[in-house]
Amino acid sequence: DGGITQSPKYLFRKEGQNVTLSCEQNLNHDAMYWYRQDPGQGLRLIYYSQIVNDFQKGDIAEGYSVSREKKESFPLTVTSAQKNPTAFYLCASTLAGGVTNEQFFGPGTRLTVL
Amino acid sequence: KQEVTQIPAALSVPEGENLVLNCSFTDSAIYNLQWFRQDPGKGLTSLLLIQSSQREQTSGRLNASLDKSSGRSTLYIAASQPGDSATYLCAVRTRGTGNQFYFGTGTSLTVIP
Repeated sequence: DGGITQSPKYLFRKEGQNVTLSCEQNLNHDAMYWYRQDPGQGLRLIYYSQIVNDFQKGDIAEGYSVSREKKESFPLTVTSAQKNPTAFYLCASTLAGGVTNEQFFGPGTRLTVL
Repeated sequence: KQEVTQIPAALSVPEGENLVLNCSFTDSAIYNLQWFRQDPGKGLTSLLLIQSSQREQTSGRLNASLDKSSGRSTLYIAASQPGDSATYLCAVRTRGTGNQFYFGTGTSLTVIP
């Protein structure tokens, strides 16, 4: 089955630690996205990548970093510089080559700072 | 910057009722609008995608309309069922830097058996 997988489902971080969230897709999509979801707020874009080895900052990129070494993978690192990282993180993808394409989402990772 | 609003934030209806969810956006320079369903603790499931040149899309008991000039979309759910209980979000893909998707905060729907 084609789709997007995220791991782990739950992640706990101690103060001062960096953690990496995994996102993998087998949809052959070119574009991938990371969003953060907080209670009572809409999804906010952290980073996106439209092609391998290229990515752009979204609205709330501070304290996060990404890489895009392979088409199917787009890991997100939450660094110690992110002061309030407790949230639900969602990865998404679309076919590139146009702006009319549907966005698909993974199941999410819930990050909690201890 | 695009702002997307969904009203009401929460809605409770008896089973079998037809209902309408609303989505409004401030910048009409969009490529498309997508409706999603989100169950608690889960990712988003795509329901319908309407391109900017279209007026509506239908899938089963769902019908979504788009009025780009007035910045509004509605999601109509016919003959609601308890299994429809979830949060419904709309997102608009907006022309401009990065052609980003902007999301509303969602409408939490409860269908009472």
